[in-house]
Amino acid sequence: AQKVTQAQTEISVVEKEDVTLDCVYETRDTTYYLFWYKQPPSGELVFLIRRNSFDEQNEISGRYSWNFQKSTSSFNFTITASQVVDSAVYFCALKGGYNKLIFGAGTRLAVHP
Amino acid sequence: GAGVSQTPSNKVTEKGKYVELRCDPISGHTALYWYRQSLGQGPEFLIYFQGTGAADDSGLPNDRFFAVRPEGSVSTLKIQRTERGDSAVYLCASSRDGSYEQYFGPGTRLTVT
Repeated sequence: AQKVTQAQTEISVVEKEDVTLDCVYETRDTTYYLFWYKQPPSGELVFLIRRNSFDEQNEISGRYSWNFQKSTSSFNFTITASQVVDSAVYFCALKGGYNKLIFGAGTRLAVHP
Repeated sequence: GAGVSQTPSNKVTEKGKYVELRCDPISGHTALYWYRQSLGQGPEFLIYFQGTGAADDSGLPNDRFFAVRPEGSVSTLKIQRTERGDSAVYLCASSRDGSYEQYFGPGTRLTVT
């Protein structure tokens, strides 16, 4: 079975704090793809990153970084020096059969000034 | 360029009525997906079109749900005999041929009273 677990339902931080959002996945596929999406209060899902299972290099994009660990089936997302505009629900997803995305339940991040 | 658009943005209907939800994908995107998002949950896959044909409709909950994409562009999700449990945000996404990155529209919030 394929599954994505985001154990953190809600996280609250103060601006400029670093925050890590956890994602654990389950799949029997040897090649797979993982994603992170952001859903701000406006509601539209925004694509952040795609990671292939055969590329274990961590990735950094500005204040965002992703840590992919096949040994623990995790694909965690860190925001450095968080800002109020980072407040949103963040979803981790796994590509399933026929390209459908299997989403976790999401983590709601609240960044307070 | 224009993103994925969905109409209407909000739809309120009475139990038992028929509704149609429309999705306009990004121009040139051959793949189109429908998802349903209930409050506090991640999106759940409904159906995937590659061109005009439904390649995977395994997520449709029952035969009251049906979707078409007759010309390989615009898609319509149709729900017959709506039930209160159908209330959710219906999301549409599209992607380029050969790409796993899906771009989402703003969704249609369906409320069945």
